[in-house]
Amino acid sequence: DSGVTQTPKHLITATGQRVTLRCSPRSGDLSVYWYQQSLDQGLQFLIQYYNGEERAKGNILERFSAQQFPDLHSELNLSSLELGDSALYFCASSVWGNTEAFFGQGTRLTVV
Amino acid sequence: EDQVTQSPEALRLQEGESSSLNCSYTVSGLRGLFWYRQDPGKGPEFLFTLYSAGEEKEKERLKATLTKKESFLHITAPKPEDSATYLCAGVYSGAGSYQLTFGKGTKLSVIP
Repeated sequence: DSGVTQTPKHLITATGQRVTLRCSPRSGDLSVYWYQQSLDQGLQFLIQYYNGEERAKGNILERFSAQQFPDLHSELNLSSLELGDSALYFCASSVWGNTEAFFGQGTRLTVV
Repeated sequence: EDQVTQSPEALRLQEGESSSLNCSYTVSGLRGLFWYRQDPGKGPEFLFTLYSAGEEKEKERLKATLTKKESFLHITAPKPEDSATYLCAGVYSGAGSYQLTFGKGTKLSVIP
């Protein structure tokens, strides 16, 4: 158990809908990362927060947004969902950016 | 240009047949290099952190090493339970933040 908790574990929704994925980082970790992993693809970096502030952005679509709250949990919002958004979405946390990051078990999103 | 490149993409070994996985990285801006193991449908599991050329870390049958241009993950006398995808990730600094960039991974299969 990495100490990073993601909910829900599975999510099935229709095209055009909006969903929210939640991540609770390990105790004491201030940095949160979000990654997308499509079938047989590598981990694609979406966005990083540190202590509530956005610090880095990857190839995140405009339909996607995220935030980190004062209690350090983070949410990833995906809207106007398309079939191609079906993927595993991982959250990871670390103390700071250059220390090891620990991953949650992911949310498997299926868009039908 | 990819900052982190792993080879081979896939590797099949007989049980007990030792081998090495390679990770080449862009040197500029690198602040650390991590190795992870990922089982299908699961989140990456942290294995090792390497910060300086010449550094080595060991855990059971795995040993990670770092040179000025590459990192290697040596697997000694592997067992079927070592079958997984092994991911290398570089931490790069820039614009006041750090970004964790993953390679595409090496899928290791150990045959009994």
